[in-house]
Amino acid sequence: GENVEQHPSTLSVQEGDSAVIKCTYSDSASNYFPWYKQELGKRPQLIIDIRSNVGEKKDQRIAVTLNKTAKHFSLHITETQPEDSAVYFCAASKGSGGSNYKLTFGKGTLLTVNP
Amino acid sequence: EAGVTQSPTHLIKTRGQQATLRCSPISGHTSVYWYQQALGLGLQFLLWYDEGEERNRGNFPPRFSGRQFPNYSSELNVNALELEDSALYLCASSSKWRAALGQYFGPGTRLLVL
Repeated sequence: GENVEQHPSTLSVQEGDSAVIKCTYSDSASNYFPWYKQELGKRPQLIIDIRSNVGEKKDQRIAVTLNKTAKHFSLHITETQPEDSAVYFCAASKGSGGSNYKLTFGKGTLLTVNP
Repeated sequence: EAGVTQSPTHLIKTRGQQATLRCSPISGHTSVYWYQQALGLGLQFLLWYDEGEERNRGNFPPRFSGRQFPNYSSELNVNALELEDSALYLCASSSKWRAALGQYFGPGTRLLVL
């Protein structure tokens, strides 16, 4: 089955710096890659996603890049703010047709943004 | 639009008992997914229901089961509870016809097995 590796497990940055989290996946049939942000005691929130027919997607300060050949994808957060502090999870799925499929998650990255 | 809801928020059981967790998806969503989030193990896929049918299940024993009702709400049942079943159980929903919007999670049910 699918396996998703996520690095680093913890990341500490200064406010205003950029943060990059990287994930690799094993199943070349995976075609949907979402990123979730989970604050302490709260539900995971979908912050951005990318499909395999796109190489990069950006939404304000966050961007995701995908390299299908190397089977890796990354989350980039620019101009980090203290409220970006949370655990970030990457995931991969073989969603097909009009329906998503089960998500396989990475183990998460605890991002701390220091003021 | 109301989000995914789950009940109860917390559940305390003893070993060997049964637990029932409930989930209501976002209106218009037909797929419901259950995930287990145990400390140090990340989010593990448990079950996927769509249109009332079980579509897929993760690597969990048969004592984890569930169902989806005609209104697309879902129930997760865990029989013969074990201490290691203590975890946050998250439900997510998605729309078959708007797949680009992804899966949205509920607040979870925190299950503690004593």
